[in-house]
Amino acid sequence: EAGVAQSPRYKIIEKRQSVAFWCNPISGHATLYWYQQILGQGPKLLIQFQNNGVVDDSQLPKDRFSAERLKGVDSTLKIQPAKLEDSAVYLCASSATGTQVAFFGQGTRLTVV
Amino acid sequence: AQSVTQLDSHVSVSEGTPVLLRCNYSSSYSPSLFWYVQHPNKGLQLLLKYTSAATLVKGINGFEAEFKKSETSFHLTKPSAHMSDAAEYFCVVSEDRTASKLTFGTGTRLQVTL
Repeated sequence: EAGVAQSPRYKIIEKRQSVAFWCNPISGHATLYWYQQILGQGPKLLIQFQNNGVVDDSQLPKDRFSAERLKGVDSTLKIQPAKLEDSAVYLCASSATGTQVAFFGQGTRLTVV
Repeated sequence: AQSVTQLDSHVSVSEGTPVLLRCNYSSSYSPSLFWYVQHPNKGLQLLLKYTSAATLVKGINGFEAEFKKSETSFHLTKPSAHMSDAAEYFCVVSEDRTASKLTFGTGTRLQVTL
């Protein structure tokens, strides 16, 4: 089966610019996650969707980050305006309802200069 | 609150020798525990998971982990390292049975030398 697809793979922007990432989860997976992985650290959950509803966004910096999953399938994560400290790999993952296994995409590496 | 501590940021072993990657967890409830592996430029891949069944869990590629409640540990082992095992390994805890909130450790980089 196809895995979690993310694009772009790499992105370089200047601070104060905006950027958007796209994720297409595994078909049929109701739960979708966005994680931020800063170099040298473990991934940190930013937001979790169950279908098109937000389950957990407690660690999402809502003043600059936003995410949506309008049709309960693919999702976008946006940063506006970007800061230097937003440089990280942004990982998307999905899981089927009732399972305990999350499947991860390859991530988008963001560099803010 | 849940958390995991990976005791070593970097482990180096020779090919053919045993691997031990250490992880301690903290959880208010009976946790689910996972090990994920991340190869360079690849996505995170699940190695194995513990969900309150057998305490010794076997995963892919010859890895296994033992859940020890008395020691709050979930160490990852492999009898014989292979060059292809070189990667970053993450210990992960979840208190939610649906694994909806995964808390990652900081990772252990495994280096395998000839």
